[in-house]
Amino acid sequence: DAGITQSPRHKVTETGTPVTLRCHQTENHRYMYWYRQDPGHGLRLIHYSYGVKDTDKGEVSDGYSVSRSKTEDFLLTLESATSSQTSVYFCAISEPTGDSNQPQHFGDGTRLSIL
Amino acid sequence: AQSVTQPDIHITVSEGASLELRCNYSYGATPYLFWYVQSPGQGLQLLLKYFSGDTLVQGIKGFEAEFKRSQSSFNLRKPSVHWSDAAEYFCAVGAGGATNKLIFGTGTLLAVQP
Repeated sequence: DAGITQSPRHKVTETGTPVTLRCHQTENHRYMYWYRQDPGHGLRLIHYSYGVKDTDKGEVSDGYSVSRSKTEDFLLTLESATSSQTSVYFCAISEPTGDSNQPQHFGDGTRLSIL
Repeated sequence: AQSVTQPDIHITVSEGASLELRCNYSYGATPYLFWYVQSPGQGLQLLLKYFSGDTLVQGIKGFEAEFKRSQSSFNLRKPSVHWSDAAEYFCAVGAGGATNKLIFGTGTLLAVQP
């Protein structure tokens, strides 16, 4: 299994509080991704990173920010959590080869509940 | 824009029966296609991938998938299902370009009856 660790694995917090989720990889992969998973929606991309300090938005980026100061760490921050951000969050990594899409490898997820 | 459709939200099969999970994609060029499996409380595990070449792709756990360009499909199959195959299955298409992004379908939840 790819060396991906997400922390925390579970978190319950209140509306309006800031929340930071961490993804740590030991594979030295260049690309890292944050998804949220909700019933009926599959996985939707929030933000992704293509290198240290290089990030871009995905399809559901509103209300989220990210940072990547080291190759191995990719942080997802909810500046002011809302109940609509209750979800399961997954981190993924990949290392592109040439022009072809390579598989992404996933962490075990963080279950976030916002009350 | 690229998209993936998994028409079956939920499927129930008997143990030992054959399985086919449907996946249709929309993509303008030769697609990169993937199937992932997710067990409860776990992340997604890659079952198999199609990049080019042979249209019948073998994966882990006895799964295979067939790429049919004329039907824009990439259906997942297994000849004999085991109880441990109960999980959610996701089809994904590569968005192309340097970003290596994937577009996921909404998933098919597989239940296995004894």
